[in-house]
Formats: sequence, C-alpha cells, structure tokens
Amino acid sequence: AQKITQTQPGMFVQEKEAVTLDCTYDTSDPSYGLFWYKQPSSGEMIFLIYQGSYDQQNATEGRYSLNFQKARKSANLVISASQLGDSAMYFCAMRGSNAGGTSYGKLTFGQGTILTVHP
Amino acid sequence: DVKVTQSSRYLVKRTGEKVFLECVQDMDHENMFWYRQDPGLGLRLIYFSYDVKMKEKGDIPEGYSVSREKKERFSLILESASTNQTSMYLCATLSGTTYNEQFFGPGTRLTVL
Repeated sequence: AQKITQTQPGMFVQEKEAVTLDCTYDTSDPSYGLFWYKQPSSGEMIFLIYQGSYDQQNATEGRYSLNFQKARKSANLVISASQLGDSAMYFCAMRGSNAGGTSYGKLTFGQGTILTVHP
Repeated sequence: DVKVTQSSRYLVKRTGEKVFLECVQDMDHENMFWYRQDPGLGLRLIYFSYDVKMKEKGDIPEGYSVSREKKERFSLILESASTNQTSMYLCATLSGTTYNEQFFGPGTRLTVL
C-alpha cells in the first residue's frame, strides 16, 4: 500500500520569501511518480510539478522545485519568491508503478497543506 | 488542453435520493477517476475506469457505483444518498500512454440533507 504524509496543516510565509512544504511517502513499488497540485479557493486542482523515482535531477518548473530525497522518502515542494496568488491548499500525491498495468495511474494523496502568503 | 467538465458545481439532495454525478472529458483519455475530498483527509479514490464498461473499486467504494458506457463519460452514482456523503467530488482523467499529469474537473460540492 502507498501512503503520503503531509505533516503541516498550515504554513505562513511573507511575500517574496521562499517556503518549503513537506511531503513524505511510503511505497514498496520500485518505480513511482510524485506530484504536487495546487488548489485555490475556487476549487480547481492545478498540476504544478512531477518527479519520477528514477529521475536523477530534482524537478523544477518556474518558481517551483521538488526537493527529492529518495533515501529519506521525501518529496518537498519549494516555492521561491512567494506571491499573494500562491495562497492555496497544496497536495502531494504519488502514483505507483505501472509495470504490469495494474495501477492505471491511480494517485494517492496526502492530507494537504494550506499556505498563506502575507503581504 | 484537456477539458474535464462536471455536470454541477453545487448540488443539494435529500437523504435516500439517488444521485448522479456526471463527468465528461474531451481528450480521448482511457483512464478516468472519481475522488472525494474532505478536510484533513485529502482526496480519496472512490472508483476508477480504465476503459469503456471497465471499472475498479478505489479505496472507499462503499455506497457508490459508477457507469462508463462511453469513453468520454464517467458517472458516479449514489444509490441512496446519506449525510456522510456530503463532500466535494472531483473527477479526473489521465492518458493511458504517459501516465503523468491527471487533469481534474472543477468539482461538485454535494450536500445531503
């Protein structure tokens, strides 16, 4: 079974500062993918970044980067230069191995972290 | 861009009613998913489908069923709605070739009175 844990129910950051949102995972799959999604108050889920378990380098997408530490089973999201529009709920998620075609891309989500950016 | 639409943004039903939540996608994706989102619990998978007329239970299927008669449409059915099914319901779709980004619909906030 897969498990994702986000231990920070809420985080606060000052505008223009960097913030790290924590995510740890547990899986027995040899191959897996890790995702971060943003959910603003409007409710839509916005894909931010993806890291494959065999990727050698940490994923980056603009101001988002994923600090992937495989041995520690952590996949923290780092947002640089926070903006007021970054205030939202953030979810970490994992997709198990698709070898054998049994997972069909199912995602397991963490509990979420509410980020508030102060001006 | 993939577009995933859900039939209602807000829905209010009474206990015991049969409820249909519809999801339609326009990108010919094989895989479709239904999640429910509750505070402190994140998103939990109810059912998913990897092909027309094919379905599999997710982590919390009790009290729900699904229907996928056409590739683009995946329906979630609450046979007899109960108050503990008050929640946000999110539909998602995924390419069967890349298995990467899931694309989500806008969600349906269901209240069962």
